[in-house]
Amino acid sequence: GQNIDQPTEMTATEGAIVQINCTYQTSGFNGLFWYQQHAGEAPTFLSYNVLDGLEEKGRFSSFLSRSKGYSYLLLKELQMKDSASYLCAVKGVTGGGNKLTFGTGTQLKVEL
Amino acid sequence: NAGVTQTPKFQVLKTGQSMTLQCAQDMNHEYMSWYRQDPGMGLRLIHYSVGAGITDQGEVPNGYNVSRSTTEDFPLRLLSAAPSQTSVYFCASSPGTRLSSPPFFGPGTRLTVL
Repeated sequence: GQNIDQPTEMTATEGAIVQINCTYQTSGFNGLFWYQQHAGEAPTFLSYNVLDGLEEKGRFSSFLSRSKGYSYLLLKELQMKDSASYLCAVKGVTGGGNKLTFGTGTQLKVEL
Repeated sequence: NAGVTQTPKFQVLKTGQSMTLQCAQDMNHEYMSWYRQDPGMGLRLIHYSVGAGITDQGEVPNGYNVSRSTTEDFPLRLLSAAPSQTSVYFCASSPGTRLSSPPFFGPGTRLTVL
């Protein structure tokens, strides 16, 4: 099975940098996704990591260490619109592309 | 492209009633799945499909049925609704050819069972 842990809540200041951590324990690993979800809306894709290292995409970066079962999402130059829940999800080795196991999400609040 | 569409957006049922949540995608994606989202629980997989005619159970399948007669549609049936099925239901789809392809989520159906 899969077990995924994320902090429940985080608060940061507009313009700052925040790092959201995700640790996982899995019986099989085929990649890790990060999603953003605003209240009352669907999750939207942010990033995907399958190899160790950093993936950068504009203000968002995601890091993966497979040996440590660890990932983080880094958000730079925070904006008020970044206030949302951030979901970490692991893809297993069976069940095709849609069989993801999600963490409970980290609610990020960006303050002035 | 409309992407992933779900109907209805909101639904209230009485205990014991049955209903079908509709999901359709127009991206010719092979993979489709249903998740439910509850406070403090995260998204949990109910059923998924890797192609037309093929379905399998996820983490929380009890009380739900699915079928996949076409590539486009993946309806979720509640056989006899229970208050524990009050939740937000998301349908997702992704192409089957690349591991890195992320599932795209529909807008969700908010279901309340009284």
